[in-house]
Amino acid sequence: EAGVAQSPRYKIIEKRQSVAFWCNPISGHATLYWYQQILGQGPKLLIQFQNNGVVDDSQLPKDRFSAERLKGVDSTLKIQPAKLEDSAVYLCASSLDPGTGFQGGYTFGSGTRLTVV
Amino acid sequence: GEDVEQSLFLSVREGDSSVINCTYTDSSSTYLYWYKQEPGAGLQLLTYIFSNMDMKQDQRLTVLLNKKDKHLSLRIADTQTGDSAIYFCAIGSYNFNKFYFGSGTKLNVKP
Repeated sequence: EAGVAQSPRYKIIEKRQSVAFWCNPISGHATLYWYQQILGQGPKLLIQFQNNGVVDDSQLPKDRFSAERLKGVDSTLKIQPAKLEDSAVYLCASSLDPGTGFQGGYTFGSGTRLTVV
Repeated sequence: GEDVEQSLFLSVREGDSSVINCTYTDSSSTYLYWYKQEPGAGLQLLTYIFSNMDMKQDQRLTVLLNKKDKHLSLRIADTQTGDSAIYFCAIGSYNFNKFYFGSGTKLNVKP
């Protein structure tokens, strides 16, 4: 089974620019998550989708971050405008459903490393 | 929120056992996980334990859970250089449908 695909792998932008990341989850996985992993820290959940609806976006900085999951499959995460502190690895993960995710069914992508200069 | 604490570094010699520790605060935790992250790679689930278990063994990996002390550990027997990576403890709070990750322990295995 193909894994969770993310692109690009790396991105360098200047502060105040905008950037978008793309995630293609495992086929059939209804639940999709975006995590932010700052260097030296564990991943922090930004947003969770169930199909194309948002389940939890309580930790998403909504003044600059947005995410969508049209048609309940692929998802994009956007930052506009970017700040220096947004430099991090952005990880996408998916699971069949939240319950399966809790039983170890999360699959993570390799992430997009964002550097804001 | 949940507080999940790990020590930052661990260095062992090849062939020795490694023990990585994690403490947490949320008593409603349902599932507790260990993930491995190699440089430039995503998170790989190693093993998980349900909160009503004390121990789980899977080949070279042994997970111990002390619910009273809210302490989780991962023991890797016969540690190999390929085990060098960052290991994350993660706590699943079923009530809140959330995952909380520790900051990771970097394991360095010396030949």
